[in-house]
Amino acid sequence: DAGVTQSPTHLIKTRGQQVTLRCSPKSGHDTVSWYQQALGQGPQFIFQYYEEEERQRGNFPDRFSGHQFPNYSSELNVNALLLGDSALYLCASSLRDRVFYGYTFGSGTRLTVV
Amino acid sequence: GENVEQHPSTLSVQEGDSAVIKCTYSDSASNYFPWYKQELGKRPQLIIDIRSNVGEKKDQRIAVTLNKTAKHFSLHITETQPEDSAVYFCAAKGTGGTSYGKLTFGQGTILTVHP
Repeated sequence: DAGVTQSPTHLIKTRGQQVTLRCSPKSGHDTVSWYQQALGQGPQFIFQYYEEEERQRGNFPDRFSGHQFPNYSSELNVNALLLGDSALYLCASSLRDRVFYGYTFGSGTRLTVV
Repeated sequence: GENVEQHPSTLSVQEGDSAVIKCTYSDSASNYFPWYKQELGKRPQLIIDIRSNVGEKKDQRIAVTLNKTAKHFSLHITETQPEDSAVYFCAAKGTGGTSYGKLTFGQGTILTVHP
């Protein structure tokens, strides 16, 4: 049973560039959430996708955008990268209508902006 | 929106002692409270969870308690072992409006178990 897979695992970008991160959810899951985890901090919610639409959004600027495909996989795009965007980006999948159900996390993409 | 506060930020215990981590949440409509363990360089892993209609749940050396009135829940680890050393996160899941299905995390507790 494949869990949540994310790619790439590590990425180095220059300030001002754009980046795309990818996520494949756990088999059977229909919802993908993206989190940013700065060093020593808890995961911060970016947004959640269900049925190819953004359903909830955290306190992140419009530079952060996403997409969900018909096969439930998802992308996170960040434009005009800032040094402060350096973090571990976690993708988590779940079942939207299973109330008492947690998220399954991927191993994350470590983004470094220089 | 939901806000989850977690304490302490660091916790150091001797092997065999108990460890307790506490969280409070702000949204009384939250109804599901998972705990995650994250080892260095690894993904967060679900270790235990509790529903809003349950006051306590136990799984071997780990237990979680929930006080809905106080909007407070805690993780208890007994007979700690060095392999319990990790960062622990609590979370609360929203039920309504823009919080539906969204997990909000606490800031994390670094637990160190000394042999």
